[in-house]
Amino acid sequence: SAVISQKPSRDICQRGTSLTIQCQVDSQVTMMFWYRQQPGQSLTLIATANQGSEATYESGFVIDKFPISRPNLTFSTLTVSNMSPEDSSIYLCSVASSSGAGETQYFGPGTRLLVL
Amino acid sequence: AQKVTQAQTEISVVEKEDVTLDCVYETRDTTYYLFWYKQPPSGELVFLIRRNSFDEQNEISGRYSWNFQKSTSSFNFTITASQVVDSAVYFCALSEMNSGGYQKVTFGTGTKLQVIP
Repeated sequence: SAVISQKPSRDICQRGTSLTIQCQVDSQVTMMFWYRQQPGQSLTLIATANQGSEATYESGFVIDKFPISRPNLTFSTLTVSNMSPEDSSIYLCSVASSSGAGETQYFGPGTRLLVL
Repeated sequence: AQKVTQAQTEISVVEKEDVTLDCVYETRDTTYYLFWYKQPPSGELVFLIRRNSFDEQNEISGRYSWNFQKSTSSFNFTITASQVVDSAVYFCALSEMNSGGYQKVTFGTGTKLQVIP
């Protein structure tokens, strides 16, 4: 399985500001995913990021609020823009070696975000 | 649309007891994959197991075992002789291909397991 790191591990931010979360993988992967986990809740997929193409967003998530970059096969960023307290969550990056339905997704340690 | 139900929100057991975590899923696809993940208090999701829809054999890995039954759309997880280190939130998940040709994983709401020493 891949080793995945995320930066920052946690942050406290003021409303109206933006935060960019980085996800770094120790090997080249085809698929990278960004999830949100609100306090005490399950994981919700924000978007799927393929290298060299625009990210695919799930219903309820838009590019203006959560812009994503995927410049190469080992790195991605998620920006949480114009934050409000409702954005307080754990944001998790995950990777899969292919787009197949059976591919296991491995997760990073997450970024704990608190918006005041 | 696919759906994963984990009806048990929280379970408490005394150390060394056996415990079963239930997972029921819904899907229209004939080909799909099921997963279990563990999320300890540190927050990182740890992959435990993957099963495909064509393999109904039960699996055992140490103190962990999984019972997959297509007839009841269930994929239950049993921990034998539980230990305090098993305390975590456990998520069941279902994977299918979405309309865009990408893998789409749906997670259940999770079961919080507390093992009391």
